[in-house]
Amino acid sequence: QVQLVQSGAQVKEPGASVKVSCQASGYTFTAYHIHWVRQARGQGLEWVGIFRSDGTTVYAQDFQGRVTVTRDTSTSTVYMELSSLRSEDTAMYYCVREGPNTYFFDYWGQGTLVTVSS
Amino acid sequence: QSALTQPASVSGSPGQSITISCTGTSSDVGGYNRVSWYQQHPGKAPKLMIYEVSKWPSGVSNRFSGSKSGNTASLTISGLQAEDEADYYCCSYASTITYVFGTGTKVTVL
Repeated sequence: QVQLVQSGAQVKEPGASVKVSCQASGYTFTAYHIHWVRQARGQGLEWVGIFRSDGTTVYAQDFQGRVTVTRDTSTSTVYMELSSLRSEDTAMYYCVREGPNTYFFDYWGQGTLVTVSS
Repeated sequence: QSALTQPASVSGSPGQSITISCTGTSSDVGGYNRVSWYQQHPGKAPKLMIYEVSKWPSGVSNRFSGSKSGNTASLTISGLQAEDEADYYCCSYASTITYVFGTGTKVTVL
């Protein structure tokens, strides 16, 4: 069965960087896109960016220059790194699968809580 | 890219039908039939309920239905049940391979 398993919660100081992993299983890893979506406590969902099956990336304008998404095909893992952290980045970060040219998210990881606090 | 606009809350009694709107622009909702809807229970990851405006994923009840007119998409829940109480989010493809979510709607079953 399809699974997206994310790394555990992290606490970071303002100005630091955080790297979250998402390991996929149960499907052909390189055939699907992986997105990152975040949700601050009590708030709505926010699209962060995508690592496409062809190896290209696209990021939301609000995160341009601060976010980098990479992929390791040897371990079927996608990573999201967010730099210059501020308190507003405190949120649950989800990795999400999208089939090629389907434009919807069919499987979600369990989420990784990133807390930014001094 | 601004979030799509949804009502903050919608409520209904068991058995009733409710509709949640999702308003965007011609650059997102109005420009593509690529609107999806997600249900999120407290403390859980979202779950896909509708894709491509009105299609059901396998395993989702047909009590949930979607539609679109112009820049506004809608999700209707028929025969409201207690288990439908959750937050609901729309999402649209928004060109240049970007996506935008709605502001979210809390559905309460009275």
